[in-house]
Amino acid sequence: QVQLQESGPGLVKSSETLSLTCTVSGGSISSYYWNWIRQPPGKGLEWIGYIYYSGSTNYNPSLKSRVTISGDTSKNQLSLKVRSVTAADTAVYYCARWGRTVTTDWYFDLWGRGTLVTVSS
Amino acid sequence: QSVLTQPPSVSGAPGQRVTISCTGSTSNIGADYDVHWYQQLPGTAPKLLIYGNNNRPSGVPDRFSGSKSATSASLAISGLQAEDEADYYCQSYDSSLSASGVFGGGTKLTVL
Repeated sequence: QVQLQESGPGLVKSSETLSLTCTVSGGSISSYYWNWIRQPPGKGLEWIGYIYYSGSTNYNPSLKSRVTISGDTSKNQLSLKVRSVTAADTAVYYCARWGRTVTTDWYFDLWGRGTLVTVSS
Repeated sequence: QSVLTQPPSVSGAPGQRVTISCTGSTSNIGADYDVHWYQQLPGTAPKLLIYGNNNRPSGVPDRFSGSKSATSASLAISGLQAEDEADYYCQSYDSSLSASGVFGGGTKLTVL
């Protein structure tokens, strides 16, 4: 079955760039939308943005100026970059697939296990 | 502040029925966008619980059900079990924010 695995540095210094990778196994990233979602410790979920396999993207307006999501179909990977990070960017970062049916809107049907990124000063 | 509003916590005894509300506005739930629900067990990633307002993915017990009306939605859990203790999140789309994924703040379910 399709599995998602996030990876990247667990510690990033304030004002630097956070970089994460999500590797998709057991299936192709083609023909799907792929999202990044984050969850600060003890808090709720925040959608960051998505990329379609063709390369089109959409971002949360609150993060748009600092975020870039890209994909590599040859490696079956997607990546996330968050620039100029602060302590407020400390969170568990998840990648998630969008699914839908002919009668429903898009929903997050498959999630990675997440990776904790801590921003230090 | 989350775009969708959920109660911070609910509780119930084993065997009872509980409901979790999710209140939105005319730019999300009220605009006829679907509501989806996720269950997050302690220390794990969220898992899809209900999609398209009232549909259960394969493997989700029929004790879980969803509904939607006007600008709000509800998740009902009947025959409460200890293993249901988790955080629950609703999610929809918001046209005013052009935000493809807006979540509720989450509800902690405690099984007494």
